[in-house]
Amino acid sequence: GAVVSQHPSWVICKSGTSVKIECRSLDFQATTMFWYRQFPKQSLMLMATSNEGSKATYEQGVEKDKFLINHASLTLSTLTVTSAHPEDSSFYICSAPFGTFEAFFGQGTRLTVV
Amino acid sequence: GQQLNQSPQSMFIQEGEDVSMNCTSSSIFNTWLWYKQDPGEGPVLLIALYKAGELTSNGRLTAQFGITRKDSFLNISASIPSDVGIYFCAGQSGSGNTGKLIFGQGTTLQVKP
Repeated sequence: GAVVSQHPSWVICKSGTSVKIECRSLDFQATTMFWYRQFPKQSLMLMATSNEGSKATYEQGVEKDKFLINHASLTLSTLTVTSAHPEDSSFYICSAPFGTFEAFFGQGTRLTVV
Repeated sequence: GQQLNQSPQSMFIQEGEDVSMNCTSSSIFNTWLWYKQDPGEGPVLLIALYKAGELTSNGRLTAQFGITRKDSFLNISASIPSDVGIYFCAGQSGSGNTGKLIFGQGTTLQVKP
């Protein structure tokens, strides 16, 4: 299948700082990518849709000023958690659609805010 | 909004046993996908279904897209210890591959050697 690479795989940051997470489609182009958040022992919750060349679309309840999304090219989307707080600690995962009906996920990023 | 109900929530089985899990929805999906997630990693696609009534196999895994487009099941035959993990169903509605998925709650599978 297609490969989606996410970096970093884990990050620890101080409260009040910002953290950037990258999501790359390695062998295909993705005009759309998706960002999910997952709490321990829970399912994936869609946060936003990243659109190449235009603004991201956020799901209800997700603060767009806190979770900045930039889709600068057909193979790269970034999620920046601004002014991070301990409650932002979570597992963040990106995905990209591929082909007729498939979607592939990155490895995920474990964010810990101390 | 759309929701997927996945069951069972967890399973603890003996190695060699068969496993079955399913997802149901109150609304129609055009695509059903089944993923496996290991701890600390992203979901890995196991099987994709896009035709109502379709039955698809991938090794010891078999999945079916319900004829009503509102349900799907995943079977794992002759389970082995490496089958341990969380299994998620995911549905996609609308035309084309939007990539926007709705996930079930997950089924945690534990296999006793």
